[in-house]
Amino acid sequence: QKEVEQDPGPLSVPEGAIVSLNCTYSNSAFQYFMWYRQYSRKGPELLMYTYSSGNKEDGRFTAQVDKSSKYISLFIRDSQPSDSATYLCAMSDRKKVTFGTGTKLQVIP
Amino acid sequence: DAGVTQSPTHLIKTRGQQVTLRCSPKSGHDTVSWYQQALGQGPQFIFQYYEEEERQRGNFPDRFSGHQFPNYSSELNVNALLLGDSALYLCASSFDRESHEQYFGPGTRLTVT
Repeated sequence: QKEVEQDPGPLSVPEGAIVSLNCTYSNSAFQYFMWYRQYSRKGPELLMYTYSSGNKEDGRFTAQVDKSSKYISLFIRDSQPSDSATYLCAMSDRKKVTFGTGTKLQVIP
Repeated sequence: DAGVTQSPTHLIKTRGQQVTLRCSPKSGHDTVSWYQQALGQGPQFIFQYYEEEERQRGNFPDRFSGHQFPNYSSELNVNALLLGDSALYLCASSFDRESHEQYFGPGTRLTVT
């Protein structure tokens, strides 16, 4: 069993839709949770970084962490074609960062 | 402010050869981590360098080695290349080894033939 499981996608949505991206994990030692966006042939870009359970909002992005269920989510409101990319969840146990496999998102104009 | 830079951008090597990849961290960052990203997969942690020493290591054989210089830049060396080493190699920097806010470079795409 992988430590981090991410919905495989690909996910295709119309412009303006609310997008929900999710990951589950099995390692209780994970304390820090991140979301990265990766455009084709580019390095990942840090979008959101959270430590505790609950919600964190930044513009159109909301990160949600539920440690009791070992489940994290990223919501994108009013999705734009420029949001089309691969979204990677990542988690840290203070020793190393473990990434999910990524969900490819396409926002159709 | 320059972000994380990596060189070269692309590289083609033959099985059995050795390769060196280079990384310069973001200004103000002293910790460098290296990742391998196979096509369609998430990045896999190779190792982390801080104060010129390897501090953490992922599940990679000792064919993978590295170095960090006094100016915080870093190199990743891979010996005895295998076809399976073909991947995007990413360098990430952070302002200290406890920080989880990592900033990634554009990567070096290595092809082993």
